Amino acid sequence: EVQLVESGGGLVKPGGSLRLSCAASGFTFSSYSMNWVRQAPGKGLEWVSSISSSSSYIYYADSVKGRFTISRDNAKNSLYLQMNSLRAEDTAVYYCARDGDGSGDRYFDYWGQGTLVTVSS
Amino acid sequence: EIVLTQSPATLSLSPGERATLSCRASQSVSSYLAWYQQKPGQAPRLLIYDASNRATGIPARFSGSGSGTDFTLTISSLEPEDFAVYYCQQRSNWRRLTFGGGTKVEIK
Repeated sequence: EVQLVESGGGLVKPGGSLRLSCAASGFTFSSYSMNWVRQAPGKGLEWVSSISSSSSYIYYADSVKGRFTISRDNAKNSLYLQMNSLRAEDTAVYYCARDGDGSGDRYFDYWGQGTLVTVSS
Repeated sequence: EIVLTQSPATLSLSPGERATLSCRASQSVSSYLAWYQQKPGQAPRLLIYDASNRATGIPARFSGSGSGTDFTLTISSLEPEDFAVYYCQQRSNWRRLTFGGGTKVEIK
């Protein structure tokens, strides 16, 4: 069974930093691109960042480029999101999501349960 | 950035009725569009990919159609568990993925 478990969320002051983690199991992690998607309270979904299976390709939404860094450790079956210079508008539930394979590439076929990040003074 | 506009924002229907949800893209996305369902307190679930292909385990009452800029998600006969928020997502610009704003299907 595919499982994605996020951790690392919490309350942080504006300008602060936080590192999110996503532990993957139930599939060959090193074969899949991975993503972070966020959802502000009561709002819709926003794609944040993607990383290819070997970390060769990395993409960011304009809203986080230069502040957030996505990375992965295939030996540990883990995905990360380092978030710096946090702003109030970064407050959201952050989901880890797997890219589908084959024709499902760049869609999200499995999601974690999410971790809440609150940026507030 | 490709902007996806979903309509209506809210759809009020009764169980057993047919639901028709729309997603319009600001430029052609070919058939590279997916639909997701999200229930309160849960992560989204992939329903449809590449406009018309049902994801694994998705009931046949869910169907997708369209290409280019206009897409439709149809739920042929609403079950109680189908009342949720639905999002479309494009992968045509695979470096900048985007979602629509969502359509809430609520019980009338």
